[in-house]
Amino acid sequence: DVKVTQSSRYLVKRTGEKVFLECVQDMDHENMFWYRQDPGLGLRLIYFSYDVKMKEKGDIPEGYSVSREKKERFSLILESASTNQTSMYLCASSLGGRVQETQYFGPGTRLLVL
Amino acid sequence: AQSVSQHNHHVILSEAASLELGCNYSYGGTVNLFWYVQYPGQHLQLLLKYFSGDPLVKGIKGFEAEFIKSKFSFNLRKPSVQWSDTAEYFCAVNDDFGNEKLTFGTGTRLTIIP
Repeated sequence: DVKVTQSSRYLVKRTGEKVFLECVQDMDHENMFWYRQDPGLGLRLIYFSYDVKMKEKGDIPEGYSVSREKKERFSLILESASTNQTSMYLCASSLGGRVQETQYFGPGTRLLVL
Repeated sequence: AQSVSQHNHHVILSEAASLELGCNYSYGGTVNLFWYVQYPGQHLQLLLKYFSGDPLVKGIKGFEAEFIKSKFSFNLRKPSVQWSDTAEYFCAVNDDFGNEKLTFGTGTRLTIIP
């Protein structure tokens, strides 16, 4: 079974703090993704990575950065948290390759920025 | 840019009723299509997917979806719902086969009344 874990289920931070969200997958997947999920807006892609040290912007990258130093780990960084970044953050991974593969999701981190 | 529409935001049905959830996408070329489901308190997981071939796709738990290219639609169906189908359902589309980026719809919350 593919397992995608996220470092925290709930996180409370103050405006201006630097926030790290960690995601680890145990299936040697090439691709990893960060989404945010907001009511009425569905899932929106922030960043994704198709290889170690590679990253590409998704649809809403502003205010975020990412790091992928090891294949199994993909970190999302909020350089200076703001209240409009209060959201549920979902990490996903997929096998990779030319054929579309299923994305496997983690349990999510609910972030509250005060 | 691709967009995905799920017009039903909240659907309430009684057990044993038939279900159809709408999904329309905007891109007119070749697409891969997905339905994901998020049960209360659980991870987002794949329900079914369409890549090519038979436009009627069967997934887990008795769900199926039909790809109608002329209508840019990929509606989800189930002939008889159960209380355990209460969940949020997301349609997603991939139209860029150079990567595995998905565009998600805004989701449909399904409530089944026992």
